[in-house]
Amino acid sequence: GNSVTQMEGPVTLSEEAFLTINCTYTATGYPSLFWYVQYPGEGLQLLLKATKADDKGSNKGFEATYRKETTSFHLEKGSVQVSDSAVYFCALSDGANAGGTSYGKLTFGQGTILTVHP
Amino acid sequence: DVKVTQSSRYLVKRTGEKVFLECVQDMDHENMFWYRQDPGLGLRLIYFSYDVKMKEKGDIPEGYSVSREKKERFSLILESASTNQTSMYLCASSAPRVHEQYFGPGTRLTVT
Repeated sequence: GNSVTQMEGPVTLSEEAFLTINCTYTATGYPSLFWYVQYPGEGLQLLLKATKADDKGSNKGFEATYRKETTSFHLEKGSVQVSDSAVYFCALSDGANAGGTSYGKLTFGQGTILTVHP
Repeated sequence: DVKVTQSSRYLVKRTGEKVFLECVQDMDHENMFWYRQDPGLGLRLIYFSYDVKMKEKGDIPEGYSVSREKKERFSLILESASTNQTSMYLCASSAPRVHEQYFGPGTRLTVT
């Protein structure tokens, strides 16, 4: 079955530091890959996505590239801010099955807590 | 703007009670999902629905049931709440063939 593995947290950084959160996956078919972010007290919201190999998703200074050869989708940001403190989830969607049906189910990693200090 | 709402942010119930968690979306989405979120385990899918009155088990359906009588509403039911069902419950919705899911704010359920 599908699975997603994220780097262990928590991650603590100083403001303006470089961020990498590793994500690797196991999947059949042709999944899409996502990073979701959860700010304190809120639900998840989509941060970025990539739908095919070599696609780069980007948003709010965050980037991730869909690497099929290494089955990875690492999240990076060049200079983090205190407001980036949140929990980050890597996820993949189920690709279409043999019948061409996809319900868009997501498989999530365990989440990585990021804390950024001033 | 896209919106998914959940009936309660915080809920405290006693062991053995029947618990209803409600989720409503205003985007006319066909697909709706219930997850539970636990530290170190990420989000785990309990049930999902791809149409009115249709439902499919997710990865951890035991102890839960669902109901979808209207397209915009998806309910999660704990038939007899137990302490190991203390968790954060998140509802989400998505359009068919579009895998981006929109999440509600979550309900933190405590079973004592």
